[in-house]
Order: sequence, then structure tokens, then C-alpha cells
Amino acid sequence: QVTLKESGPVLVKPTETLTLTCTVSGFSLSNARMGVSWIRQPPGKALEWLAHIFSNDEKSYSTSLKSRLTISKDTSKSQVVLTMTNMDPVDTATYYCARTVTGTIDYWGQGTLVTVSS
Amino acid sequence: QSALTQPPSASGSPGQSVTISCTGTSSDVGGYNYVSWYQQHPGKAPKLMIYEVSKRPSGVPDRFSGSKSGNTASLTVSGLQAEDEADYYCSSYAGIHNYVFGTGTKVTVL
Repeated sequence: QVTLKESGPVLVKPTETLTLTCTVSGFSLSNARMGVSWIRQPPGKALEWLAHIFSNDEKSYSTSLKSRLTISKDTSKSQVVLTMTNMDPVDTATYYCARTVTGTIDYWGQGTLVTVSS
Repeated sequence: QSALTQPPSASGSPGQSVTISCTGTSSDVGGYNYVSWYQQHPGKAPKLMIYEVSKRPSGVPDRFSGSKSGNTASLTVSGLQAEDEADYYCSSYAGIHNYVFGTGTKVTVL
């Protein structure tokens, strides 16, 4: 049974750095065909893909947010970490992690709402 | 990485069909057969309904079908049911582990 679960702060202040952790089970982060993406959704708005890390540690980022994002993984802990610097109120959103398999985002975590406010 | 274009809304009566379009470019939808569709109910995580343009994951009713022509993909929901009322998003692989989502379509069952 594949599961993903996001964890991190529910509230961050403007200019702070957000660190989110995705803990996965039911599959290995070293599986050759698999990776993990982070996606966010501001309240009432559309999904936005943020970043992806593949089994071989290849990383990719949204062009518009690349300068603020870092994705990494710890295979032994089955965790993927996303950091986003210089948080702003417009970054208020539900942040999801999701598994990817050969071009498809299939299993999603429940999401975690992050509010940016002073 | 511009968002894929979807109509904001679509509707149909129970039993009818509704089709949602998803328009991208040759760098995403038109370039790969990795178009997915997701159903999202309020307060819930998206659920995969269609992958690789037209394949259905186990457990998804065959009322849901997908297709693609050029840079535009489509999701058709046949025999609309009340529980199909939700937001629907398309997504496409865009090369080198990049992905892009659509703008979303709210489906209303009249």
C-alpha cells in the first residue's frame, strides 16, 4: 500500500524559509522508475507543480520558483524534503507531495496547509 | 512552463456526458503520451482518474475516458452521476522530470 504524508509548520512568517518533509511508504525512493514531486494549491486556485526528485537523485524545478526551491531525499529514511526560501503571503497554499512513475503523478499525500503571515 | 488551458466550468444533467479539454503545446501535451487527469473534491487530495492519455487506474469507472489530438487532450465523463461533481485537472509530462498542470475545470451535475 503506497502512502505519502507531508509534515512541516502550519504557519511561517514572511521572509522565513519553509521546510517540508514527505515520508513515503509502500515503495522505495531508489526504485528506478519512480520519483517524488511537490505540488501546491493556493486556496481556491489551481494546482502548481513545484519540484521533482528522481530515483537517481536528478532534480528538476519550476522555472518560476527555481531560485527559491531545493529538493533532496534521504532514501534510508524514505523521506523527501523541500525547502522554499523567502516566503511571502502569496505562498499560502496546501502543499502536496506525490509519487511519480514514468511520467505519471499517481499517489498523493493528504496535503498540508501552510499559511504565511506575520 | 505555462499552465495548460482548461475551460473554467462544465456541466451536465445526470446520465448525460461532459467533455473537458486541456490545451498545451508541443513541449508538453503534444510531445508526450503522458497526460493525466485528476478529480478533486473539496478539501481532498487529487485522485488519478486517467493516465497515459487514455488508461484508467484500477477502480476508476469506465464512464471516464481520455483522448488526445495534437496539443489538446480531453476527458469525457459519460453517464454523469452526482458524485462526479468536482474539480478536474489535467497534467502533462513536460520533459526531463518536469510536469505541468491545467487551470482546472469545475464540473457541475445539474
